[in-house]
Amino acid sequence: GAVVSQHPSWVICKSGTSVKIECRSLDFQATTMFWYRQFPKQSLMLMATSNEGSKATYEQGVEKDKFLINHASLTLSTLTVTSAHPEDSSFYICSARDPVSSYEQYFGPGTRLTVT
Amino acid sequence: AQTVTQSQPEMSVQEAETVTLSCTYDTSENNYYLFWYKQPPSRQMILVIRQEAYKQQNATENRFSVNFQKAAKSFSLKISDSQLGDTAMYFCAFMKVDTDKLIFGTGTRLQVFP
Repeated sequence: GAVVSQHPSWVICKSGTSVKIECRSLDFQATTMFWYRQFPKQSLMLMATSNEGSKATYEQGVEKDKFLINHASLTLSTLTVTSAHPEDSSFYICSARDPVSSYEQYFGPGTRLTVT
Repeated sequence: AQTVTQSQPEMSVQEAETVTLSCTYDTSENNYYLFWYKQPPSRQMILVIRQEAYKQQNATENRFSVNFQKAAKSFSLKISDSQLGDTAMYFCAFMKVDTDKLIFGTGTRLQVFP
C-alpha cells in the first residue's frame, strides 16, 4: 500500500525558534496533502490543505503566517511552525490523498513537537 | 456545517467477544463518505473501513463491519472476535463528495482484555 513518511518523528525546540516538519509520499505522487493537529487525548483537526505548486488553503482559525506550508514537489510538503510557543506543542500529522481513489487518504506517522 | 459525534469515550471488551462503537453525524449533504480509522499507541492512523453513502449495503472488512443507517445518520462499527491488537483509539470520520476534508469525531478508546 501507499506509504507516507514524516520527519522528524519528534522534535524539541525553544520558544521563539522555528521548526520544519517534512511529509513525503514514498511510492506515489500526491498532488494534495493535508496537515492535521492532534492535542493529547483529542481528535484530529484539519489545519490546512496543501496543493502542489499553489498556495495552501487554511482552515478557519489557523494562522497562515505562523504555520507556513510549502508543497514544492509531488512527493513533499513541509510545515514550518514559526516563532514557536509552548501552546504550539502538539502532535502534527500529515496525510496524502490517493491519486486513484480520490477520497482515500494515507497518513504519516506523525511528529511530536514540544516547545520549551 | 458537518459534525461527527462519538458518544462513547471509552469501551472495553474481552478477547474473542464482539463490541460495537457508535457514531452519529449531522449533514445536509446527500453524497458523502464515512470512515472508521484506528489509531493504536504508535499514533499511526489506519483506515479500518469505509462506506459510500449511496450504497445501501453495509461495508464489511473481515472482522469489521458497519451498520449504516442513512436516515438516522448513524454509522456504527462492529468488531467481531476482538483481538488484543484491536486495542486503540477509533475515530469515525465524514467526508463530503468532491471535497478532501475529513471531519473526525472525538474518538472512542477501546481496550481489549485477555
